[in-house]
Amino acid sequence: GQSLEQPSEVTAVEGAIVQINCTYQTSGFYGLSWYQQHDGGAPTFLSYNALDGLEETGRFSSFLSRSDSYGYLLLQELQMKDSASYFCAPHPGNTDKLIFGTGTRLQVFP
Amino acid sequence: IAGITQAPTSQILAAGRRMTLRCTQDMRHNAMYWYRQDLGLGLRLIHYSNTAGTTGKGEVPDGYSVSRANTDDFPLTLASAVPSQTSVYFCASSDGRQDTDTQYFGPGTRLTVL
Repeated sequence: GQSLEQPSEVTAVEGAIVQINCTYQTSGFYGLSWYQQHDGGAPTFLSYNALDGLEETGRFSSFLSRSDSYGYLLLQELQMKDSASYFCAPHPGNTDKLIFGTGTRLQVFP
Repeated sequence: IAGITQAPTSQILAAGRRMTLRCTQDMRHNAMYWYRQDLGLGLRLIHYSNTAGTTGKGEVPDGYSVSRANTDDFPLTLASAVPSQTSVYFCASSDGRQDTDTQYFGPGTRLTVL
């Protein structure tokens, strides 16, 4: 079967670094995406990892280990506006579609 | 402005009524999707379309139908609404690439079925 695990909630203070972990089990695997969703808003694409290693985009970085079926999103220099839900979404490939779980709610405190 | 639009923004509907949620994209994307989002249950795929003229069932298709007559439009119909269909509905599109499948979401429709 297919499964996805990420923490339900993470809290941190402004300026800190936070890591949101994601483990997955899929029938096949092309890559791992991350999406951000603010309360009342729509999910928006953040990053995609197809190969092992770290991808950096400004304050956000995403990591993938295909052999461990594991990835994480690293948010640095946290700002209040980073308070949102973050979804990891593995892409099983072939005809299967992205899998979105329940997401991780990040709360940033001053 | 390029993107995805959804209508209505919100709707209160009596149980048993028929309702169509509209979704239009102007990015010429091949693939389109309908999700529902409920508290604690995340995003769940209802139906999808890989290209105009084709549709497929997602994780929670019961009670919903879709059509894809052209590239731009992907309406979602509730034939006879029930209270359990109260949710926020998001439409999304992607270029359909099998590797990244990056999806672009509309603003959502908040539906309440009484």
